[in-house]
Amino acid sequence: NAGVTQTPKFRVLKTGQSMTLLCAQDMNHEYMYWYRQDPGMGLRLIHYSVGEGTTAKGEVPDGYNVSRLKKQNFLLGLESAAPSQTSVYFCASRTGTGTYEQYFGPGTRLTVT
Amino acid sequence: GNSVTQMEGPVTLSEEAFLTINCTYTATGYPSLFWYVQYPGEGLQLLLKATKADDKGSNKGFEATYRKETTSFHLEKGSVQVSDSAVYFCALSVGGGSQGNLIFGKGTKLSVKP
Repeated sequence: NAGVTQTPKFRVLKTGQSMTLLCAQDMNHEYMYWYRQDPGMGLRLIHYSVGEGTTAKGEVPDGYNVSRLKKQNFLLGLESAAPSQTSVYFCASRTGTGTYEQYFGPGTRLTVT
Repeated sequence: GNSVTQMEGPVTLSEEAFLTINCTYTATGYPSLFWYVQYPGEGLQLLLKATKADDKGSNKGFEATYRKETTSFHLEKGSVQVSDSAVYFCALSVGGGSQGNLIFGKGTKLSVKP
């Protein structure tokens, strides 16, 4: 099993450009998450999904949109990138039962100039 | 609300030294507690967990005990190695559904010198 994978690994955008980050998991997990990690801030939840076709806002949702059309995929979109969105983005997933531990992808490093 | 506070780093130790990283929490209900580790350039990996009071989680020589009376989950290792250099995150989760979302501390960077 590949676990949680993220595409791309690195990206540089200009202010105002758009892009989509893809997260895929092969563990049949119900829940999926997008986080951003900034120095000194830990991980902050952007959006999450409790199942196919559902999404919900997390702690810092502004400037991002998400979609979960298929159970195994969770997309994070930036419609008009801003320098404040320069960050490392992590995707995670978990089952709907058990002890709620999440499994993380390797991350996408995004720079907005 | 629910929150996690962990000691600020960075922490620098010599190889074979004893490690403690403090973590305390505030939670409604009865949380599950986790330690995650992030090696340079990688995503987070679950290091250990505990789901109820007095449980001890352990893995790779690391241990942490769920202390309800002090609302703590301190991470310890008796003898650190250079390969333990990483950022360590304490986290909690309360309940199911969206309540099962993880709440993280800000992370503690550990550097182990040979």
